[in-house]
Amino acid sequence: GAGVSQSPSNKVTEKGKDVELRCDPISGHTALYWYRQRLGQGLEFLIYFQGNSAPDKSGLPSDRFSAERTGESVSTLTIQRTQQEDSAVYLCASSWLGQGAGEAFFGQGTRLTVV
Amino acid sequence: GIQVEQSPPDLILQEGANSTLRCNFSDSVNNLQWFHQNPWGQLINLFYIPSGTKQNGRLSATTVATERYSLLYISSSQTTDSGVYFCAGYYNTDKLIFGTGTRLQVFP
Repeated sequence: GAGVSQSPSNKVTEKGKDVELRCDPISGHTALYWYRQRLGQGLEFLIYFQGNSAPDKSGLPSDRFSAERTGESVSTLTIQRTQQEDSAVYLCASSWLGQGAGEAFFGQGTRLTVV
Repeated sequence: GIQVEQSPPDLILQEGANSTLRCNFSDSVNNLQWFHQNPWGQLINLFYIPSGTKQNGRLSATTVATERYSLLYISSSQTTDSGVYFCAGYYNTDKLIFGTGTRLQVFP
């Protein structure tokens, strides 16, 4: 696609439920990143995928968080047994990583509210 | 450790003023980018600037990779420039990490 697309734009869920967030990267981009941004805060790195390499999961805050990516296409971020502290905007970015890293572009984000 | 530091953390300007935002980055961080996060939360690409100087209208950026810093210049600021400015770089060529941001408020 023309840009990074995320869905849903907004999600309200009850505490304890599972949620899935989706990210469609720019076609041809090999790298895909997930970040969390709490209200008024900076971007907190969660996980990134690069081609067929093992993902860097070092930023996932707990084992309730997981993410998958099929090849160089869509990624889903899953949060199990959601807690109120998970409320945030979840941002996805993609870039091309070859000989040197390329410019990264962001989607519009998914605003998650846990009630 | 891996660090991308931005200064100042907050900046308040009157419309028409000029400003300089700074980003310092540690070893192993390169291929700097600048983003503007508007009040609606959207991250807008401003510059992809591994080194040298680029200009786009009232905005320009300079990265001196050998001295590990980048500067973003905003001239003749407008209220629409308000928001948070982030710099980001790649650690070890692949992991994109962000600075803590500079929050800019421009008043008429």
